[in-house]
Amino acid sequence: EVQLVESGGGLVQPGGSLRLSCAASGFTFSDHYMDWVRQAPGKGLEWVGRTRNKANSYTTEYAASVKGRFTISRDDSKNSLYLQMNSLKTEDTAVYYCAREEWLLTNYYYYYYMDVWGKGTTVTVSS
Amino acid sequence: DIQLTQSPSFLSASVGDRVTITCRASQGISSYLAWYQQKPGKAPKLLIYAASTLQSGVPSRFSGSGSGTEFTLTISSLQPEDFATYYCQQLNSYQFTFGPGTKVDIK
Repeated sequence: EVQLVESGGGLVQPGGSLRLSCAASGFTFSDHYMDWVRQAPGKGLEWVGRTRNKANSYTTEYAASVKGRFTISRDDSKNSLYLQMNSLKTEDTAVYYCAREEWLLTNYYYYYYMDVWGKGTTVTVSS
Repeated sequence: DIQLTQSPSFLSASVGDRVTITCRASQGISSYLAWYQQKPGKAPKLLIYAASTLQSGVPSRFSGSGSGTEFTLTISSLQPEDFATYYCQQLNSYQFTFGPGTKVDIK
């Protein structure tokens, strides 16, 4: 079964740090780009960032709201994705989901989409 | 950044109704658009990608159309399990963004 399981959430004070993990199973993790998406309480979805695969040099991109504070990494040998969150703010309080990217190649164009999601882990930033 | 708007933000409908949700992008995104369904307390579920391609396992009453800056998600005959919030997402630029969501409620 294709599965993503997040862990590492919890309560942290403003200015603190936290590292989230996402364990993948049931598919060839190393082939895929992977993303983090978050959802603040009662709010919509917000894309956090992504990491490409080894073939694309593990390059990363981030939303402006987290750039310079959050770092996405992966360990293909452990089928794991990580989100290192530093300088946390109260507005980072959210459920954090990891998601697998899949792609459709048609007419020389790659169409990406997020087809597998974890159940999420909750991060609360509060004093 | 590419911004997405969705209309309506809230929709009240009955079982069997045809429902259409619109997503507009602040600049052209070709067909780099996906639609997701989310129920309370659950992770999002992919419905449509590349603007009009139905994800495997998703009922055929869901369909997507559009290109450039205007897109639609249509549910041809609303079922009880379709009451949820729907999000569009653009995957054209290096920074992906989601629309604000459309909540579909029972009339």
